[in-house]
Amino acid sequence: EAGVTQSPRYAVLQEGQAVSFWCDPISGHDTLYWYQQPRDQGPQLLVYFRDEAVIDNSQLPSDRFSAVRPKGTNSTLKIQSAKQGDTATYLCASSLRDRGANTEVFFGKGTRLTVV
Amino acid sequence: GQGVEQPDNLMSVEGTFARVNCTYSTSGFNGLSWYQQREGHAPVFLSYVVLDGLKDSGHFSTFLSRSNGYSYLLLTELQIKDSASYLCAVRDRNYGGSGNKLIFGTGTLLSVKP
Repeated sequence: EAGVTQSPRYAVLQEGQAVSFWCDPISGHDTLYWYQQPRDQGPQLLVYFRDEAVIDNSQLPSDRFSAVRPKGTNSTLKIQSAKQGDTATYLCASSLRDRGANTEVFFGKGTRLTVV
Repeated sequence: GQGVEQPDNLMSVEGTFARVNCTYSTSGFNGLSWYQQREGHAPVFLSYVVLDGLKDSGHFSTFLSRSNGYSYLLLTELQIKDSASYLCAVRDRNYGGSGNKLIFGTGTLLSVKP
């Protein structure tokens, strides 16, 4: 079974540039998450979807960040005008809807973003 | 408010054990997960607990006390390759829809020495 796939693996931008990250979750997983992980910190949730619907985007900086999952499968996270503070690893994860025992969340390898 | 706290660093010796602590504060606790993360890699799921007590999974065991908002991950018979960051993550049913959202701690970097 293929895991969560993300691309690109690395990105280096100047401030003000835009970038998009792409995620292909595990087949059949209805829930998809985007996390931001600054160096030496734990992952912090930005947004998550159930199928194509946004369930929670309260931590997504809406002025510069956007995320879509139009067909309930793949997802794209976009930063419109990057800032140095956006330097972090962006992790995509997927899971099945919480059905009690089945609570495992699977992570992709992440995209390491550096904004200079 | 909500929060998940872990010590930053932990050091232990090969062949012995290490206990990684986690304390949390949440209004609608719906389970706690432990992940292992190596430098430059994605977190890997280790364990999920929702009931009080000790859950023995061999090399890894996890303990939960809901009344104290406390959990630990116990690694026994340590190997050098167990050196990694260990992340504690709590689910809160009152935060983000169905409670399937994970709130992570900052992680504890475990260093296993020969």
